[in-house]
Amino acid sequence: GAVVSQHPSRVICKSGTSVKIECRSLDFQATTMFWYRQFPKQSLMLMATSNEGSKATYEQGVEKDKFLINHASLTLSTLTVTSAHPEDSSFYICSANPREMGGYTFGSGTRLTVV
Amino acid sequence: DAKTTQPPSMDCAEGRAANLPCNHSTISGNEYVYWYRQIHSQGPQYIIHGLKNNETNEMASLIITEDRKSSTLILPHATLRDTAVYYCIVSHTGANSKLTFGKGITLSVRP
Repeated sequence: GAVVSQHPSRVICKSGTSVKIECRSLDFQATTMFWYRQFPKQSLMLMATSNEGSKATYEQGVEKDKFLINHASLTLSTLTVTSAHPEDSSFYICSANPREMGGYTFGSGTRLTVV
Repeated sequence: DAKTTQPPSMDCAEGRAANLPCNHSTISGNEYVYWYRQIHSQGPQYIIHGLKNNETNEMASLIITEDRKSSTLILPHATLRDTAVYYCIVSHTGANSKLTFGKGITLSVRP
């Protein structure tokens, strides 16, 4: 089946540094990918829609200069958390739809801890 | 997209059927009902989706009422590994359609 690979699975970084998270569609092309954030005991919150070859679309309240999204190819989208702070610590998850009529496939998530 | 309402939690015995309800009274005619589940600290997993007909796959069955205002996900023989948060989502189909997650229902399967 369709697989979305997300890397790294866990990352710890110091406050003020930047962290890049990769999301790859392994056996299908994805012109659109989605990035979510999930805080403990809460549901997934959509952050942005990543569009291949164009600018990402951010949800209301999400700072586009802080969460940089690049979707340079049909199989790779990256999310960079810039100048990370402890409040950015969260579980980040990407997804894509391999089939026009099917369900979305999600990555395994990235646990970010900012210390 | 239409909003969904699910009870916060339920449990069932291992080996028994788990019936997870979902209300989506404001669903529009071209919106599908999707079910996903999330096991702790993992990404969500697609289970099943449907428009108006009942659907069945190797994981579960989806029963949609005739007026499409509610649905039920059925896990026919629940196992301990089915313990997870189950999300009922209403959305248009297509690669560009966004999924909006509610709080979901926490299913606990007991031995």
